[in-house]
Amino acid sequence: DAGITQSPRHKVTETGTPVTLRCHQTENHRYMYWYRQDPGHGLRLIHYSYGVKDTDKGEVSDGYSVSRSKTEDFLLTLESATSSQTSVYFCAISESVRVGEQFFGPGTRLTVL
Amino acid sequence: GQQLNQSPQSMFIQEGEDVSMNCTSSSIFNTWLWYKQDPGEGPVLLIALYKAGELTSNGRLTAQFGITRKDSFLNISASIPSDVGIYFCAGVTNTGNQFYFGTGTSLTVIP
Repeated sequence: DAGITQSPRHKVTETGTPVTLRCHQTENHRYMYWYRQDPGHGLRLIHYSYGVKDTDKGEVSDGYSVSRSKTEDFLLTLESATSSQTSVYFCAISESVRVGEQFFGPGTRLTVL
Repeated sequence: GQQLNQSPQSMFIQEGEDVSMNCTSSSIFNTWLWYKQDPGEGPVLLIALYKAGELTSNGRLTAQFGITRKDSFLNISASIPSDVGIYFCAGVTNTGNQFYFGTGTSLTVIP
């Protein structure tokens, strides 16, 4: 299995509080991605990174920001969490131009009350 | 965003039967992917397709990249209980940086 960890694995927070999720990889892969998974929607891309300090928006980026200061870490921040951001969040990594070969982390279940 | 229509939404089959599922899009993709997700885990890549018309197998799994580049198919032969899970298709744009996922097909195999 690819070396991807996510922390925390579970979190319950209140509306309006800031939340940061961390994705850590040991594979030295260039590309990193954050998705959310909701019933009826499958996986939707939030943000992705194609290198240190290089990030871009995905399909559902509103309300989220990301940072990548090191190759191995990709942080997802909810500046002011809302109940609509209750979801399961997955990080993924991929190596090169054959970006189809994406490997996913175990996920973080976030509940915003 | 891109819409990927995956069907069927769910399937209940007897062990040993073959399974077919498909994914269609209104947009053209340069890559089609099929993933399987077990409960409480992240998706795992099963098959990647990079060329229109390509037919690729991985054990009992066979997937095809449609010639229109707007669809893909996954077949599972002689299903077994461990095939249970949710299967997702995904398409990759020509920039190669963004993935769009279908809504999934939930497969239940009855022993």
